[in-house]
Amino acid sequence: DAKTTQPPSMDCAEGRAANLPCNHSTISGNEYVYWYRQIHSQGPQYIIHGLKNNETNEMASLIITEDRKSSTLILPHATLRDTAVYYCIVTPNQAGTALIFGKGTTLSVSS
Amino acid sequence: EADIYQTPRYLVIGTGKKITLECSQTMGHDKMYWYQQDPGMELHLIHYSYGVNSTEKGDLSSESTVSRIRTEHFPLTLESARPSHTSQYLCASRTGTRNTEAFFGQGTRLTVV
Repeated sequence: DAKTTQPPSMDCAEGRAANLPCNHSTISGNEYVYWYRQIHSQGPQYIIHGLKNNETNEMASLIITEDRKSSTLILPHATLRDTAVYYCIVTPNQAGTALIFGKGTTLSVSS
Repeated sequence: EADIYQTPRYLVIGTGKKITLECSQTMGHDKMYWYQQDPGMELHLIHYSYGVNSTEKGDLSSESTVSRIRTEHFPLTLESARPSHTSQYLCASRTGTRNTEAFFGQGTRLTVV
C-alpha cells in the first residue's frame, strides 16, 4: 500500500502558484519525501526531496510540516507545461531503495 | 538531461513472439529498476537490480525476466508475448548513495496483438 495520500486532481490558473498537498501520517524518522511528475506518460521526472527542512530548487519548493505528517509541493508560477501527474513518495534513507508510486495528483494548468 | 535510454520507444508485436526491451544508462549507477504502467494508472515495480548479477522481482508479479550482466545494461525479456502484456514499460536507475534521485527513461510502449 502507498504510504501517501494525495487528492486525485487539482486545477490551477496559469501564472498562479500551484500548491499540491500530500499526507504521509505514518512516515518514520529515516524516511524522505520525494516528489516526481509525469507528463503525458513520459518517464517520471524528479522535482525535489526533503527530510524535515523546507527545500527549494529551480523547479519548486517543498514545505514539510513540523510533525512531518504532511507536505506541500509549491510551483510558484505554474505554466501550461506544468500540467502533469505529480507523485509524492515516501522512501527510506537506504541506498538505492526502489520508489513505490501511488496514484498521484493530476494537475491541470489552464490559461 | 538523464543519460538513460530505452529502445524501442514503441513496439507492436504478435502473440507468441519473444521480445527484449532494452535499457541502458551511462551514469555508472548500480541500482536499476523496471516499472510497468497501464494507461492512466500508477507505476508498478516489476524488477530491480542492485548490481551486476543481482536481480529481484518487484511488487507486481510479471511473466517477464531480466538480466544484469553489465552495469550499464538491464534488458527485460518476454519469452512469449500475450495481449495481457500490452502496457508501457519504464526503466530507471539510481546511484548506490543514499538520498539521491532516480532517473527514468522515456519508456517503451508495447502492444501485443
